[in-house]
Amino acid sequence: KQEVTQIPAALSVPEGENLVLNCSFTDSAIYNLQWFRQDPGKGLTSLLLIQSSQREQTSGRLNASLDKSSGRSTLYIAASQPGDSATYLCRMRRGGSEKLVFGKGTKLTVNP
Amino acid sequence: DVKVTQSSRYLVKRTGEKVFLECVQDMDHENMFWYRQDPGLGLRLIYFSYDVKMKEKGDIPEGYSVSREKKERFSLILESASTNQTSMYLCASSLGQSHTEAFFGQGTRLTVV
Repeated sequence: KQEVTQIPAALSVPEGENLVLNCSFTDSAIYNLQWFRQDPGKGLTSLLLIQSSQREQTSGRLNASLDKSSGRSTLYIAASQPGDSATYLCRMRRGGSEKLVFGKGTKLTVNP
Repeated sequence: DVKVTQSSRYLVKRTGEKVFLECVQDMDHENMFWYRQDPGLGLRLIYFSYDVKMKEKGDIPEGYSVSREKKERFSLILESASTNQTSMYLCASSLGQSHTEAFFGQGTRLTVV
């Protein structure tokens, strides 16, 4: 069964710090991997989508990388701000399937 | 901008009631999904649909059914609500090709009392 793991489950950092969130998956036959942000009690907001043929995607202070051979993706957040506080989830879509498989998320707190 | 809209943000229902959760998307997406999200368990797929009138069970379909009569609308039905179905329900949609983003609604917080 394909699994997606996010470590750590929670992370607390001071404002201004650069940080990395991790996502690992057991199946390298993926179409793409997507990172989301979720604020408490709200839905998921798409941040970045990386296709299987890509190694990274950037949007503003966010950079996501994908290494299929090692089954890992990272989300790098530069110069973190209190407004970045949220839960970050990754999901993968396996080749040949329409199903989306999610990690349980990393809860990020950026302290002023 | 893709919009996925869930009909209610908060619902409170009684045990045994039949409950309908509605989801509408406005981007002509083929795929639509229903998840529930619980603390410590993450998002779990209940059902998904890849076309009108087509559906597939996800990981936890027991106690639920779905309806997709029109492409833009995907309904989740709790046949007889129970307290263990208290949860956050999230609807998502995506294009049928596998290389596209998934977009989520704002979520429905259902409480069964």
